[in-house]
Amino acid sequence: NAGVTQTPKFQVLKTGQSMTLQCAQDMNHNSMYWYRQDPGMGLRLIYYSASEGTTDKGEVPNGYNVSRLNKREFSLRLESAAPSQTSVYFCASSQAGQFFGQGTRLTVV
Amino acid sequence: GENVEQHPSTLSVQEGDSAVIKCTYSDSASNYFPWYKQELGKGPQLIIDIRSNVGEKKDQRIAVTLNKTAKHFSLHITETQPEDSAVYFCAATFNDYKLSFGAGTTVTVRA
Repeated sequence: NAGVTQTPKFQVLKTGQSMTLQCAQDMNHNSMYWYRQDPGMGLRLIYYSASEGTTDKGEVPNGYNVSRLNKREFSLRLESAAPSQTSVYFCASSQAGQFFGQGTRLTVV
Repeated sequence: GENVEQHPSTLSVQEGDSAVIKCTYSDSASNYFPWYKQELGKGPQLIIDIRSNVGEKKDQRIAVTLNKTAKHFSLHITETQPEDSAVYFCAATFNDYKLSFGAGTTVTVRA
């Protein structure tokens, strides 16, 4: 049972480039989330999807967009990457309690 | 919105001793309080959680206590082992969706 799978694991972007972070879960959970983790700041919610077909902003949504492609998949897109978006990104899913993927380490230079 | 404060930021304990991490929250409507353990290079892992209708919950060497009046909750790890070394995060929410996380506690267990 893979749980929550994120791709890629590492990525380096130049300022202004775009990319999509992929997330898939095989636990049949309704809710999915995207977080960013920065040193000393814990995890901050970017966007979440309470159920298939719905998405809502979290604490730090600026500069990001999301797509809930189906019940399994929830992608995060950076349209024009900025150095301030250098972070570790985690996807999670939940039914009761959130389960996290292994993270994507993104560096924007 | 909810604001969660976590203390201490770092904690070093001798193997076999207990470790205690404390969190306070601001929103009295919060009713779900999970704890996560994050090992280096991995995603956070849910280790224990508590809802507001109980005051304490145990699972082997870990326990969580909740004081709704004072709006604080704590994680207790007894008989610590080297594999308990990790970063621990508390969180709080009122709707199971929008978790607010503490800043984390780095626990080091000295052999």
